[in-house]
Amino acid sequence: SAVISQKPSRDICQRGTSLTIQCQVDSQVTMMFWYRQQPGQSLTLIATANQGSEATYESGFVIDKFPISRPNLTFSTLTVSNMSPEDSSIYLCSVEGTFSYEQYFGPGTRLTVT
Amino acid sequence: TQLLEQSPQFLSIQEGENLTVYCNSSSVFSSLQWYRQEPGEGPVLLVTVVTGGEVKKLKRLTFQFGDARKDSSLHITAAQPGDTGLYLCAGGREYGNKLVFGAGTILRVKS
Repeated sequence: SAVISQKPSRDICQRGTSLTIQCQVDSQVTMMFWYRQQPGQSLTLIATANQGSEATYESGFVIDKFPISRPNLTFSTLTVSNMSPEDSSIYLCSVEGTFSYEQYFGPGTRLTVT
Repeated sequence: TQLLEQSPQFLSIQEGENLTVYCNSSSVFSSLQWYRQEPGEGPVLLVTVVTGGEVKKLKRLTFQFGDARKDSSLHITAAQPGDTGLYLCAGGREYGNKLVFGAGTILRVKS
């Protein structure tokens, strides 16, 4: 399975600012995914990022609020823009495994907005 | 929308007890994954089942995929404190890469 790292691991940000989360994979992958998770709860998919094309967003998530970059096959960023306390959450990136139905996750970024 | 209902939501048991977590849907999934997540970490893939009726064992963990591929279960024998964590089931569709996640089961095993 791929080794995935995320930066930062956690951050405390002020309302109205933006934070960019980085996701780095140790091998080339086609599909990368960004999720949001409240502690102890399930995962909500934000968007799917395919290298060379625009990210595909799920219902309730928009590009202006969560712009995503996917410059190459090993890296992606998610920006949380104009943050409010409701954006406080854990943000996780994942990559597609050898089999398309398997995903491997990074350690997550814990974001607190004050 | 394909939904996965996971139960129980929370389970607190003594070391040595057995437990079962269930994942049910009215829809058919092409695959079913089980993940375990510890605080401060991302979910870790435990197993994938793809064939109706399939049973997989991972040490003290037994995973089963229903014959109709609409449900799955995770059974832990003689639970240990190290089994503590959030268990998530996730269903894969026949086409596409997205996973549908269950609500999760928080397991706490007390010594």
